[in-house]
Amino acid sequence: NAGVTQTPKFQVLKTGQSMTLQCAQDMNHEYMSWYRQDPGMGLRLIHYSVGAGITDQGEVPNGYNVSRSTTEDFPLRLLSAAPSQTSVYFCASSYQRGAKDTQYFGPGTRLTVL
Amino acid sequence: AQSVAQPEDQVNVAEGNPLTVKCTYSVSGNPYLFWYVQYPNRGLQFLLKYITGDNLVKGSYGFEAEFNKSQTSFHLKKPSALVSDSALYFCAVREALYNFNKFYFGSGTKLNVKP
Repeated sequence: NAGVTQTPKFQVLKTGQSMTLQCAQDMNHEYMSWYRQDPGMGLRLIHYSVGAGITDQGEVPNGYNVSRSTTEDFPLRLLSAAPSQTSVYFCASSYQRGAKDTQYFGPGTRLTVL
Repeated sequence: AQSVAQPEDQVNVAEGNPLTVKCTYSVSGNPYLFWYVQYPNRGLQFLLKYITGDNLVKGSYGFEAEFNKSQTSFHLKKPSALVSDSALYFCAVREALYNFNKFYFGSGTKLNVKP
């Protein structure tokens, strides 16, 4: 199994540009989520999904959109990038509940918005 | 509201000495508690979790954590630190019943183990 994969690893955008961060998992996990990691603030939940066709907002959803058309994929879209969105983005997946709800994280995407 | 606090930005310990990384939490109901470790330029890796049962949880790489409900704490411990344990450690909480789809992470504690 590849686990959780993210592309790209690095990205530089100009203010106002849009882009999509890709996330895929091959573990048949129902739950997928996106976090951003900023110095001194830990990881903050942006959006999450409990299954195909179901998404919901986390702590910091503004400026980001998500969709979940398949169990495997959970892309994160930045509609109009802002410097405040400069961060490291992590995707994670897990089974939905119970003893198997340990999250598995991707390697991250480092995004810089100029 | 759910939250996690890691009061120490950095912990320094000599190799071979015991280490403790502190975590306190706040949830509305019963908590699921987790520790993750992050090495430079890598994603987070699972260390251990508390769901229910024994308050002392054993995890990967010789780490353990003790759940203390009265103090709402879940401190990470290891009897003898290794230089290779140097990394960033995150505590996380998930509510067991309501709002269980959201994980909340602490701000992280950098562990430095000196030879």
